[in-house]
Amino acid sequence: QVELMESGGGLVKPGGSLRLSCAASGFDFSDSYMSWIRQAPGKGLEWLSFISNSGTTIYYADSVRGRFTISRDNAENSLWLQMNSLTVDDTAVYYCARDGSYGELAWFDYWGQGAQVTVSS
Amino acid sequence: QSALTQPASVSGSPGQSITVSCTGTSSDIGGYDFVSWYQHHPGKAPKLLISDVSNRPSGVSDRFSGSKSGNTASLTISGLQAEDEADYYCTSYSKTFHVVFGGGTKLTVL
Repeated sequence: QVELMESGGGLVKPGGSLRLSCAASGFDFSDSYMSWIRQAPGKGLEWLSFISNSGTTIYYADSVRGRFTISRDNAENSLWLQMNSLTVDDTAVYYCARDGSYGELAWFDYWGQGAQVTVSS
Repeated sequence: QSALTQPASVSGSPGQSITVSCTGTSSDIGGYDFVSWYQHHPGKAPKLLISDVSNRPSGVSDRFSGSKSGNTASLTISGLQAEDEADYYCTSYSKTFHVVFGGGTKLTVL
């Protein structure tokens, strides 16, 4: 059974940092291309970052480039998102998702349940 | 402001059909057949409904169908059911931004 489980969310002050984790199971994680996507309160979905199966190709949305870092460990079936210099606009539910199109960024077939990140003083 | 434009809401009665539009540009929807659609019930993981404009993944009801014309993609839901009430999102590969989402459409089943 395919499962993506995010963890590490919580309440953080503006300017602070947080590291989200995504534990994968039930599919070949090492052959999978992964992304982070978020949904702010009352807003739509926003793609944030992509990492190739080997970790050698990485993309970021303009809104997080320079502040967020995506990484993975295929031996641990794990994906991470290191988030620094957080602002209130980063308050959202964060999802990890698998790129089902093997790096074409065409569609996401597996999603986690999401992790809540709240940035507030 | 989302890169792709969707209507904020649509509604229909059980058994009817509805269509959700998703308008982009030649740099995303118009330039690639990489449009996908997702159903999102609040508090749950989004679910892939349509990939590559019109392909339905295994297990997705054939009441859901997708199409594209120029810079506009569409999701049609036929035979509306109460459980279809959810938020629907389109997304496309983008030459400029890698991936762009629509702002989402709330479907109300009357």
